[in-house]
Amino acid sequence: DVKVTQSSRYLVKRTGEKVFLECVQDMDHENMFWYRQDPGLGLRLIYFSYDVKMKEKGDIPEGYSVSREKKERFSLILESASTNQTSMYLCASSAPRGVTEAFFGQGTRLTVV
Amino acid sequence: DQQVKQNSPSLSVQEGRISILNCDYTNSMFDYFLWYKKYPAEGPTFLISISSIKDKNEDGRFTVFLNKSAKHLSLHIVPSQPGDSAVYFCAASAGRSDTGRRALTFGSGTRLQVQP
Repeated sequence: DVKVTQSSRYLVKRTGEKVFLECVQDMDHENMFWYRQDPGLGLRLIYFSYDVKMKEKGDIPEGYSVSREKKERFSLILESASTNQTSMYLCASSAPRGVTEAFFGQGTRLTVV
Repeated sequence: DQQVKQNSPSLSVQEGRISILNCDYTNSMFDYFLWYKKYPAEGPTFLISISSIKDKNEDGRFTVFLNKSAKHLSLHIVPSQPGDSAVYFCAASAGRSDTGRRALTFGSGTRLQVQP
């Protein structure tokens, strides 16, 4: 059974803190993604990675960075958390060739206070 | 500038009837379309997809229709069941399958409620 696992279900952080969200997949997928979900806005792509150490900006990369040191792990970093980064964060992975669906983790609900 | 639009934020249907969820897109480069279902506090799960070379794809109670000229797709659920109550997201992707660089662009979602 395919699996994408996010390290935390719920997080509460203070404004200005550096925040790490971790994601691990066990499907040997080359592609990994970070999205955020907000009411009325759907899922918006923050960053994606198509190989180890490779990354591309999505639609809303400002205030975020990512790290992909190993194929199975993709980290999202909030350099200095702000209240407008309070959101549901979703990690996903997909196979590299052809047209296949992306598999999602369970999500991390981040609250910045 | 939303490239994938779901104009109905919510839909309510009776159990046993048909649910029709709609999605419009603006990017003519999109060539693969997907529907995801999401329950609260869970990640989205893949439901059904369709390539732009087809106009219909069916999987059990779920059928997706694609009208490329209108840049419109729809998801039909027949018959609807209370367990189908969830938020449904339409998604699309474009190009570069040779390198595998495909990211999904999502709509804003439609909350479906199936009344028993």
